[in-house]
Order: sequence, then C-alpha cells, then structure tokens
Amino acid sequence: DQQVKQNSPSLSVQEGRISILNCDYTNSMFDYFLWYKKYPAEGPTFLISISSIKDKNEDGRFTVFLNKSAKHLSLHIVPSQPGDSAVYFCAATSWGYKLSFGAGTTVTVRA
Amino acid sequence: SQTIHQWPATLVQPVGSPLSLECTVEGTSNPNLYWYRQAAGRGLQLLFYSVGIGQISSEVPQNLSASRPQDRQFILSSKKLLLSDSGFYLCAWSSRGGYEQYFGPGTRLTVT
Repeated sequence: DQQVKQNSPSLSVQEGRISILNCDYTNSMFDYFLWYKKYPAEGPTFLISISSIKDKNEDGRFTVFLNKSAKHLSLHIVPSQPGDSAVYFCAATSWGYKLSFGAGTTVTVRA
Repeated sequence: SQTIHQWPATLVQPVGSPLSLECTVEGTSNPNLYWYRQAAGRGLQLLFYSVGIGQISSEVPQNLSASRPQDRQFILSSKKLLLSDSGFYLCAWSSRGGYEQYFGPGTRLTVT
C-alpha cells in the first residue's frame, strides 16, 4: 500500500522561477521526511530533510515545508536552474530503518 | 568521507541464470545496509536491510536473497532469475541511528 504519494508525475518550470513539489502521506507514525534527487541511470542523492517537530527547513535554494495536520509536505526550489532537471523523490520513515518512497516527480527546467 | 560502490553497472542475464550483485561501503563502520529496486516509472521498493553481519531482514517475498558476509559488504543474489527481476537495483547505507540513507550508483539488470 502506497503510504507516500506524489500525485504530480511531472513539473515544467522556467529557469529562475520557483519549483514546488508536493508529497502526501497517510501514516501518522511517520516522524522524519526526506527529499532525494535522481538523475537517469544514477543513484538518488539526498537533498534535504525535516523532522516532524519542525514545520520548515531551509538549505540554500531548497526549502521543505511540513504540514502535519494535513499530512503534507512540499519542496520549494528557488530559483530553479537547468541542473535541477531530475526526478525528485519524497520519502518518510517512522523509526529510521525503512524509508517509504513516493513514485517521484520529474522536474524539467526550461531555459 | 564515505563512499559506496556497486558493481556491475549494467548486466544482461538470461532467464534461469544466477545473479550476484555486490555493494561495498568505505569510510564508515557498522553501517545499516539496504537493497532497493526501482522498476520502470516506479518509486523505490525496499527489498532487504541489514543492521549487522549475518543479520538480514526481507521486506517482500521474492526470488531474491541477500547476505552480509562482512561489515561493509552487502550481496544480492538469486539462484534462478525471472523476467520480472529486471530493474534498477540500488544499494544504500545509513549510520546507526541516522535517518538519511546514501545510495550507490545502481545496477541496471535486464533479464532476457
């Protein structure tokens, strides 16, 4: 059963604008959330994470927002750059061993 | 710094043949180790994880098995491959108590 859902399979954004990626989860026991970036034929790269005790975490151009009541998190990329074109996976865990991944959102940054 | 290696990068195997994929981690001790599979257009599915030598937990019943003969070595195996075993296999590690998992470059397996 899909406990982490990324309902938008793709996103196209103009270079310099904001990219907003969304993720919903169903398991209220999840207490840590992560975003990964993946290029074709490569392994995912850890991007940013957030604990359930926070509602925002920022790292450079990347900000993750967590809304626990809505069981929703989002990743903002500002400004979007051509190198940001990749597949982004949302993941969640409740005790650290097992990450439940969403299906991914493919981001295309247009020049 | 920590490095994770996987080999081979690509593999084409006939149905019914055996499989052995290897993963090694450098620069850390006592890591948790994981095997994932990504099917085409899908997310990452956890297959196995290990918290120590000889300790393997299986997440899904399947045609595959895993072993951890050394602290920083994780092996994914099959005695007889099925067509459905095709996919992109990823090894990952995390530190004890750490949530973040760090992935290797992956192996593209095609079963023909």
